[in-house]
Amino acid sequence: NAGVTQTPKFQVLKTGQSMTLQCAQDMNHNSMYWYRQDPGMGLRLIYYSASEGTTDKGEVPNGYNVSRLNKREFSLRLESAAPSQTSVYFCASSEEPDETQYFGPGTRLLVL
Amino acid sequence: GNSVTQMEGPVTLSEEAFLTINCTYTATGYPSLFWYVQYPGEGLQLLLKATKADDKGSNKGFEATYRKETTSFHLEKGSVQVSDSAVYFCALSWSKFYFGSGTKLNVKP
Repeated sequence: NAGVTQTPKFQVLKTGQSMTLQCAQDMNHNSMYWYRQDPGMGLRLIYYSASEGTTDKGEVPNGYNVSRLNKREFSLRLESAAPSQTSVYFCASSEEPDETQYFGPGTRLLVL
Repeated sequence: GNSVTQMEGPVTLSEEAFLTINCTYTATGYPSLFWYVQYPGEGLQLLLKATKADDKGSNKGFEATYRKETTSFHLEKGSVQVSDSAVYFCALSWSKFYFGSGTKLNVKP
């Protein structure tokens, strides 16, 4: 099993450019999440999706949009990238009743 | 509200030393507790978990006991190895996940 996969692994953007981060899971999980990780701040939840067709804001949603394309895929879009969005982005998935979240390898984003 | 507090790092130990990383939590209900490990350049991996008070989670020589009376879930290992060098995150799950800020462990040969 591949688990949770993310593309791309690394991306450099200029301020104002847009891009979409892709995430897919093959564990048939209902819930999926997008986090950002910044030094000294742990992980902060951007958006999550409890099931196909639903999405909800997390702790830091401003500047991002998400799409739950189907049960497998959950994408994160930056419409107009800003230097403050330089970070490492992680996708995760989980399934009740097991609360464990399973993480992808991350996407490193640098916005110049 | 719900939150997790873990000791700041970095923690530097010699190989075969005893490890403790402290984690305390605040929760409005009865959460499940987790330790995740992140190796350089990788995503987070579940290390161990406990779902109710007095449960002990264990994996790869690491242990943590869910202490409701002290609201703690400290991570311990009797003899660390260089390969244990990583960042360790404590987390709780109660309707959603709450992560601590992470503790970096450096193990020297």
